[in-house]
Amino acid sequence: DIQMTQSPSSLSASVGDRVTITCRASQSITNFLNWYVLKPGKAPKLLISAASNLQSGVPSRFSGSGSGTDFTLTISSLQPEDFATYYCQQSYNSPYTFGQGTKLEIK
Amino acid sequence: EVQLLESGGGLVQPGGSLRLSCVASGFPFSIHVMSWVRQAPGKGLEWVSSITGSGVSTYYADSVKGRFTISRDNSKNTLYLQMNSLRAEDMAVYYCAKEDPIVGRVFDYWGQGTLVTVSS
Repeated sequence: DIQMTQSPSSLSASVGDRVTITCRASQSITNFLNWYVLKPGKAPKLLISAASNLQSGVPSRFSGSGSGTDFTLTISSLQPEDFATYYCQQSYNSPYTFGQGTKLEIK
Repeated sequence: EVQLLESGGGLVQPGGSLRLSCVASGFPFSIHVMSWVRQAPGKGLEWVSSITGSGVSTYYADSVKGRFTISRDNSKNTLYLQMNSLRAEDMAVYYCAKEDPIVGRVFDYWGQGTLVTVSS
């Protein structure tokens, strides 16, 4: 199975900060990397597919980059609604594994 | 608007069975691959199972193979997960998810989940 490792596991930041979350795959997954956000009691939401493809309706402050084994999710200016847990997922090979999550908290 | 509504979760003893349902609306259900993804308490997300639009092909994580069965009733726009021989490690919130038809294995819409508790 492909292992997905996210860093950091948790992150404290302030509204307006720029934050970057990293996801590393145990082998090359080309650009088959997706990002999701989870908020308590809500349905998970797809933010970015294929490493950098922003989903319709997702604010432009979110961006994704990377290829091969190393990927990043960047939020350019944190808003109050962005404090949540973020997961990466590889869709290159079954089983389609997720990272362990990055919890973004208010400083 | 795409909507996915799970139900069927609850408390079950180890070794017991449970069937989850997910009613879909807002998209042509019968042509889309559907999946179940779970999140155990304090843990990350784990893909569990997927089924093609026709229901002919099914796929499972090794952790549930032989114990869980995914199925669908396209006439009712409903996805199912039959869970047998439940273990403590199966305790989780189970999400129903629709797959992006173009990219594949990307979960573009999710339900809010249903909680399965396995305990004696």
